[in-house]
Amino acid sequence: QQQVKQSPQSLIVQKGGISIINCAYENTAFDYFPWYQQFPGKGPALLIAIRPDVSEKKEGRFTISFNKSAKQFSLHIMDSQPGDSATYFCAAKIGNNRLAFGKGNQVVVIP
Amino acid sequence: DAGVIQSPRHEVTEMGQEVTLRCKPISGHNSLFWYRQTMMRGLELLIYFNNNVPIDDSGMPEDRFSAKMPNASFSTLKIQPSEPRDSAVYFCASHTGDTVNSPLHFGNGTRLTVT
Repeated sequence: QQQVKQSPQSLIVQKGGISIINCAYENTAFDYFPWYQQFPGKGPALLIAIRPDVSEKKEGRFTISFNKSAKQFSLHIMDSQPGDSATYFCAAKIGNNRLAFGKGNQVVVIP
Repeated sequence: DAGVIQSPRHEVTEMGQEVTLRCKPISGHNSLFWYRQTMMRGLELLIYFNNNVPIDDSGMPEDRFSAKMPNASFSTLKIQPSEPRDSAVYFCASHTGDTVNSPLHFGNGTRLTVT
């Protein structure tokens, strides 16, 4: 059972545009929601994370928006750059339990 | 800090052969995870260790898979005998566990091809 579901599966964005990736979860007990970024040939790396007591977190060009009532959170990449082309994974967990990862979204930023 | 180190980077083997993947976690990290990544299933957790003790191996596909962590600086994932459906990228990851939400640090993976 997929505990965390991502959409869209892939995304093509023009340089300078906004990339938006959505994630939906089922378990309301989840209390930590990270996004991981993966470049080809590399392992995923933590990009940004949020806890459910806030609705938005911003770090540079990356923003997480969190909607607790809808059980959804999204990643926004502002002013998308070709270097942002990667696979993005959302994830969720409860306390010290293991992370449940989504299947990943491939983002391609074209010049 | 060298990060999580995995070896080999690529492994090509024939069906039926034994495969051993290796991982050196970041020094001081007390939790270690083995993941498998495929296009169809994404990132799947196979097993994780805390302080060298296996905590949850419910993700190990079948008895052909086994994992060990003999000490804090080394872990292996073994597949015996290997099958073509085992072809995937296998990642090792570690974290400190000092804080509840300490980030996972992934290695660069081992790409396994079983022919």
